[in-house]
Amino acid sequence: KQEVTQIPAALSVPEGENLVLNCSFTDSAIYNLQWFRQDPGKGLTSLLLIQSSQREQTSGRLNASLDKSSGRSTLYIAASQPGDSATYLCAVRNQGGKLIFGQGTELSVKP
Amino acid sequence: SAVISQKPSRDICQRGTSLTIQCQVDSQVTMMFWYRQQPGQSLTLIATANQGSEATYESGFVIDKFPISRPNLTFSTLTVSNMSPEDSSIYLCSVDPQGPYGYTFGSGTRLTVV
Repeated sequence: KQEVTQIPAALSVPEGENLVLNCSFTDSAIYNLQWFRQDPGKGLTSLLLIQSSQREQTSGRLNASLDKSSGRSTLYIAASQPGDSATYLCAVRNQGGKLIFGQGTELSVKP
Repeated sequence: SAVISQKPSRDICQRGTSLTIQCQVDSQVTMMFWYRQQPGQSLTLIATANQGSEATYESGFVIDKFPISRPNLTFSTLTVSNMSPEDSSIYLCSVDPQGPYGYTFGSGTRLTVV
């Protein structure tokens, strides 16, 4: 059974700092991995999608990497801003098509 | 990527009543998914809804409690029946991956049962 773990559960950083969020999964037979952002009480916004054959994806200040063999992904946020404050979720899509979510990392960027 | 309109965005309901949540997609999609996010928790898949067939429910979720309709390729509803305070959650719909964009989610329905 696929399990997805995110570390840390919460993170507080000063504005301008670069930071890394971690995601690990137990079954390396994934189809892809997706990072989402969720603002309090809201839905999910897709940030980056990495196919199983890819090593990384970049969008603006965000860079996500994938090491399928070790069951790890990281989300790197450069030059963090208060507007980046949100919960970040990673989710893996298994070959069967289901999306399995981690518990999320709650990020707070202080001005 | 597909745009999903979900409503209501929030509601406060009395225990024992039912609430129907709607999701409208701006393009035809094969599969729609319904998730629950309990307070402080991550998302859990309730069921997968394909047009023209019965929804497939995950372990721990039953049709009597969470009936789902999928009348066409752009619309689905989830009903939360006979609600109790334990049903207080955010409910989200999603559609199958759209090319390079991955899964897209609706804006969520924040349900409080009192």
